[in-house]
Amino acid sequence: QKEVEQNSGPLSVPEGAIASLNCTYSDRGSQSFFWYRQYSGKSPELIMFIYSNGDKEDGRFTAQLNKASQYVSLLIRDSQPSDSATYLCAVSLTSGTYKYIFGTGTRLKVLA
Amino acid sequence: NAGVTQTPKFRILKIGQSMTLQCAQDMNHNYMYWYRQDPGMGLKLIYYSVGAGITDKGEVPNGYNVSRSTTEDFPLRLELAAPSQTSVYFCASSRGQAVQPQHFGDGTRLSIL
Repeated sequence: QKEVEQNSGPLSVPEGAIASLNCTYSDRGSQSFFWYRQYSGKSPELIMFIYSNGDKEDGRFTAQLNKASQYVSLLIRDSQPSDSATYLCAVSLTSGTYKYIFGTGTRLKVLA
Repeated sequence: NAGVTQTPKFRILKIGQSMTLQCAQDMNHNYMYWYRQDPGMGLKLIYYSVGAGITDKGEVPNGYNVSRSTTEDFPLRLELAAPSQTSVYFCASSRGQAVQPQHFGDGTRLSIL
């Protein structure tokens, strides 16, 4: 059973702080890794994706990937109350077709 | 630019009834997916399609059926609705390449009473 694991939270951080969200995955053949943000009652929206080891930055967001440790993280700098949401980690599998396994998500609360 | 469109947004069914959830995308994506999301849980794959005429089961296919007659449309059929199928259903599409993300519709909130 291929799995993606996330701490369900809630992760509470004060406004302006750095929020660190973590995700581990079990399939060593996984190719790409995605972070989605989901507000309550809404559909997931893509924040960013990464497929090479190291860091990838996009504005206040940084994704970090370590394939040897099977670990991917999302850092949110200067956290804002509007960042309060559930963050879903998704991994694309390499079984001949492009399927994605989602974690259960980490709920982030940014306190004003 | 519509993206992925799902209808209806909300629906209440009685146990044993049937219905079809509609999904359409205008991005010419080959891959389409149906997920369900239960409260506090992640997304579970029900069925997916890699192109017109080709569908396959995901993690939780029991109680559902799909068809893909065109690139644009991927309806999900519920036969003999059961309370366990109460959930939020999301349709998504992608280009079917390793580094391409999925694009989601707004979801259908379905209650079986």
